[in-house]
Formats: sequence, C-alpha cells, structure tokens
Amino acid sequence: GAGVSQTPSNKVTEKGKYVELRCDPISGHTALYWYRQSLGQGPEFLIYFQGTGAADDSGLPNDRFFAVRPEGSVSTLKIQRTERGDSAVYLCASSDARGRAGELFFGEGSRLTVL
Amino acid sequence: GESVGLHLPTLSVQEGDNSIINCAYSNSASDYFIWYKQESGKGPQFIIDIRSNMDKRQGQRVTVLLNKTVKHLSLQIAATQPGDSAVYFCAENWGRGSARQLTFGSGTQLTVLP
Repeated sequence: GAGVSQTPSNKVTEKGKYVELRCDPISGHTALYWYRQSLGQGPEFLIYFQGTGAADDSGLPNDRFFAVRPEGSVSTLKIQRTERGDSAVYLCASSDARGRAGELFFGEGSRLTVL
Repeated sequence: GESVGLHLPTLSVQEGDNSIINCAYSNSASDYFIWYKQESGKGPQFIIDIRSNMDKRQGQRVTVLLNKTVKHLSLQIAATQPGDSAVYFCAENWGRGSARQLTFGSGTQLTVLP
C-alpha cells in the first residue's frame, strides 16, 4: 500500500485479556518499528526489526509484550494479560535502508483501551 | 537513556509569522537529531534532521539549528500556515549499530491563529 497500515484502529478490551495489533509496512521497507504513545507524551520505543529478526527489543516493558515479523513484512505486536496501564496508542513505523537514518514512516496507530 | 525534552508545551503564532520551537537534550553523546510533526489522530511525520557535525540545516520553509554547547535544538518555521498547526517533537537517534531507536521529547503544540 501507499503507507503504513495498522489494524485495528481502535481496540477496547478487558483487563487480563490477550490482544494482537497488526502492522503492514510500506512495501520494500526492511526495517519495522513499534512505538507506544501515551496521551500528551512523545512516542516511546518498543522494538525494532530488521528483516525477520528483532534487532533491538530493549523497549519492551516486560515479558507480557512480544512482537513477531515471520516473513519480514507484516508484524504483529502481542500483549498478554493486559493491564490498564497498557492503554495507549501503539504506533508502527517502517523505513528504507536507503533513506535518511531518522526518517521513519509511521502509521496512524492502534488505540488500545484496557478497561 | 537520557531524556530529550522541550522548553514550552504550547505555542501560538499568527498566520504568516515565523515560529520557533525549542528543544533541550541532555545526552552529550547524541549525534543525530530529528524533528517530527504530528497532526491530531495521525502518526508522526518526518520534517527535517541534523547531525552533530552541523549547526544549521534548511529545508522547505523550515530550518533546524543545533547548539551543542548548551545542548539545544530549535525548529524555525517561516511564514507559518494553518496547516502547520500540530504537535512538534524533537527526537534523538541512538544509532547503536544498525539500530534506529528514536527517543522523543514530550512535544510542543503549535497553534496558528488566523
């Protein structure tokens, strides 16, 4: 597609439930990132993929969070046993290795609300 | 990691005037900085970047200035337009190896008044 696509755009779940958020990056972009943005704050880094492998997962807050990118394109962020503090907008971005180092192309995000 | 922050949370300017958005960073080892614009309900959008071996970089209607002595970064927008209304973030690129982890500040809300 023309841009980074994220689904669902909104997700409301109950505390303790399992959630999956999907990201479809720009075609041909080898790098993919997940960020989390709380209200009134800047995005916070979670994980970065280069191809199929997680090159840097230092931003994942705990072992309830996991992300995969099995074929080097679409990625899924998985959150187990959700907590109210997980409520945020989860942003996915992709980038082209030939582009500027800091030029990430972000999707519109998936807004997660944990009740 | 050390934080990247902003001096002012909000800024209002008249249409046609120039805007200056400031950002302070605390990591003296940082060597690459980026400005992003985020409109309501959308993801951040890249505006301009600058490396630490430069003091100034210009784009279309935007200029980024870097003062490494006081660890200060600014974004200047010339002839501000209504479409410039958004939250602006400065970000620091860690650049560890091939990683492109960005550390964002908390943002400045720019409002352009008619």
